[in-house]
Formats: sequence, structure tokens, C-alpha cells
Amino acid sequence: DAGVIQSPRHEVTEMGQEVTLRCKPISGHNSLFWYRQTMMRGLELLIYFNNNVPIDDSGMPEDRFSAKMPNASFSTLKIQPSEPRDSAVYFCASSFGRAGNQPQHFGDGTRLSIL
Amino acid sequence: EDKVVQSPLSLVVHEGDTVTLNCSYEVTNFRSLLWYKQEKKAPTFLFMLTSSGIEKKSGRLSSILDKKELFSILNITATQTGDSAVYLCAVEGGADGLTFGKGTHLIIQP
Repeated sequence: DAGVIQSPRHEVTEMGQEVTLRCKPISGHNSLFWYRQTMMRGLELLIYFNNNVPIDDSGMPEDRFSAKMPNASFSTLKIQPSEPRDSAVYFCASSFGRAGNQPQHFGDGTRLSIL
Repeated sequence: EDKVVQSPLSLVVHEGDTVTLNCSYEVTNFRSLLWYKQEKKAPTFLFMLTSSGIEKKSGRLSSILDKKELFSILNITATQTGDSAVYLCAVEGGADGLTFGKGTHLIIQP
């Protein structure tokens, strides 16, 4: 079975540019999570969708970050405008059922570098 | 605010040794505690623990949860170089996603 698929794998862009990260969850999973990982702060939850509806976006750093899930098989995380402090690895994860009932499965991540 | 603390931060042992990794937590409305192994890329799921005192085992890895003292341990026996990774502990509690600890960086030397 295909796991969680993220794209791009690595992106380098200049500050001020718009960045869009993409995620395809595991088929049949109805919960989707976006995380950010840095050396300083570890893995942090940004936003959580259940049945395509954002449930908890309290981890989204600021208005420059937005996430959408237009259907059950696709989600995007957008940063506009990007800043150097946004540099991190961004992970998408999915699970079946509400959070806490089933383990989350992670994609390979997008390594984002903002110059 | 939910909090997960892992110790040690880093551990270097020889192949064949047994290691114990620790995870303590403070969360509201605890639902589950999970262990993940992260090598170069994505964290991969190891265990999910919801009940105290019941050991979960997978090969040389085992884990147990103590909900009274709010901690969990992950044991690895007869370690191999392939066990080298960052081991992440996470809890599901008040927030709907996972709250992760900073991880334990385990290095197994041949």
C-alpha cells in the first residue's frame, strides 16, 4: 500500500516567495495532520483535519501560514510570504478515525530552506 | 499546555547492550502514548499504549506505560547498529494532534 506522499521532497527559495507543500494521505484515512520539525523545537503540530474539516489550527504560527483540504485525498500547506525562520522539515501524517484512536503514519517530509 | 520530556537526549552504547529510553508527560485528557523511530526521514510507528502496566512487545523492543506516575519506557535488548535512530515519544491529550518530546538520539557502535 502506498504510504503518505508529500511533495516536493526539498525546496529552496528566497524569502518573500510563496511556498506550497502538498500531501496525499493514505487512502481510507480520514484524519490528516501537518507538523513542522526543527532542531530547536522538535516536532510541532501545526493543524489537524478530520473528514476534510480543520479541527485544530492553534499550532499555525501566524497568518502567513494557511492549510486546506479540498478533498479526502489531498491537502496543501501554504506559506506566504516565506521567511528564513520558516526553514524546517514539514511532515504530513494521516490516520484512520479521530486522533488518539489509531497511530498516525508519516510521509517522508518536505525539507524547506528559505534563504 | 501539554508537555513531553524524554531522557536521555543522547545515548551511545555498544552493539549487544540493552538500553532503556524514558518518557514523562503532562497532558490534559490523556488518550494514548506513542513511540516512533526516526531515521533519515519519516517517523515510523513502533507502539501505541493506552493502559497502564501492559507491556507491548515487538521483537527486541518493548514498552510499558505507567499512567499513575505519568511515564513510559522503551526497552531495546541486544542492540544492533540498525537500531541507531532518534526515538520519539508522543502523547495524545488535550490537543487533537500529537505532542512530541525532543527525542532520544541513540547511537549503537559496532
